Order: sequence, then structure tokens, then C-alpha cells
Amino acid sequence: KNEVEQSPQNLTAQEGEFITINCSYSVGISALHWLQQHPGGGIVSLFMLSSGKKKHGRLIATINIQEKHSSLHITASHPRDSAVYICAARQVANTGNQFYFGTGTSLTVIP
Amino acid sequence: EAGVAQSPRYKIIEKRQSVAFWCNPISGHATLYWYQQILGQGPKLLIQFQNNGVVDDSQLPKDRFSAERLKGVDSTLKIQPAKLEDSAVYLCASSSGLGETQYFGPGTRLLVL
Repeated sequence: KNEVEQSPQNLTAQEGEFITINCSYSVGISALHWLQQHPGGGIVSLFMLSSGKKKHGRLIATINIQEKHSSLHITASHPRDSAVYICAARQVANTGNQFYFGTGTSLTVIP
Repeated sequence: EAGVAQSPRYKIIEKRQSVAFWCNPISGHATLYWYQQILGQGPKLLIQFQNNGVVDDSQLPKDRFSAERLKGVDSTLKIQPAKLEDSAVYLCASSSGLGETQYFGPGTRLLVL
């Protein structure tokens, strides 16, 4: 079983739809990252969360530490949002930080 | 601000050959990470440096993989000899310190034939 589970694995939406991607983790963490990876491109860090909620433009990320769950929401989705979204849990260990990555959610937004 | 640079962007080799990847982190970033991302999977941390010291290399296949960051700036990751299952994207990331936001390079796409 993976330490970090994402759902759904694949998601297709119409332009303008509200999108939610979920992430559940089983390890104790110090922070959770949401990353965006475009086809053939590099990875961009969207959010780093340790509690509550953060908002950046049309993107909103929430985390519930007690339930070990985080969500990434995209409001008024646009074709340029098409990418793979990866959830990564950061755990502080004696040797430094250990990161556990989900397998990603592939989002396609259709015009 | 210049981002994390990696080279080459693409590499094709035959199995049992050797290959090396190079990473130049963001200036001033003390922490450097190497990840392996196999198609369809999330990134897997191979090794983490703090300045020129290794913080975590527990998932690095040390029989064939090696990495160094001699002067605490640039880093190289080497595979010798390569196997078919090493085909992946190798990502380098850096952060200003342990636990800080990571910035990723464009990756090196390796194909082993």
C-alpha cells in the first residue's frame, strides 16, 4: 500500500467546471505539497500546506491533519490547467526530510 | 531568478553503458534532490544533499547509481551500468533549506535500449 493515495487517477472536465482532486496519506507529516507537471515539462510547486487552506488565483488547497486528507480545487477550469497533479507528503525523519509521492492525477480540460 | 538547470534533456543509451546527468541548483540553495520518475508513477527520491553532505540515500541503488555534490553547488548523478528498467525521467530539485519549497528542473529523459 502506498503511503500517499490520490484520486481520481484520470479526470476529464469541460471548460468552466469545478474540479476536485483528493489526496490521502498514512504517514505523520510536517507538510503536504501539491505539484503540477505539464506533458514533457518540468514540475511546478503549487502549494505547501501544514494546516488549513491556501488560495492562489483559481487554485485552492485544503488539508485536514486529523483525517490525513488534502484536496486541490480548481475553479472555472481552463484547458491550460490540463496537467498531472501530484500530491507529496513530507515527513521529518532523523536523517532529514522524507518525501512520499502520490502517482498523480491526470487532468484534461476540454474547451 | 534562474531556475534549476539540468543537462542533457534527453539521452538514449544501450543497456550496460554508463550515463551521467548534471544539475545546477538555484544559486544559494543548500539542499539538492535527485528523483527518478518512471512513466505513470510519481517521483521517487533517490538522494538528498545538504550542501556537500548526503542526508538521505536510502532509495539509491548503490550497486549501479552514484551521486556527488563535491563543492556543495552542482551535482552529478551517474548510472553504471544502465539497465532497461532505468528508463525514466531524472529530476533534480533544490530548496533553500531542509523542508523548504522545492524547485524542480526540467528533467533528463533517459531511454535505455
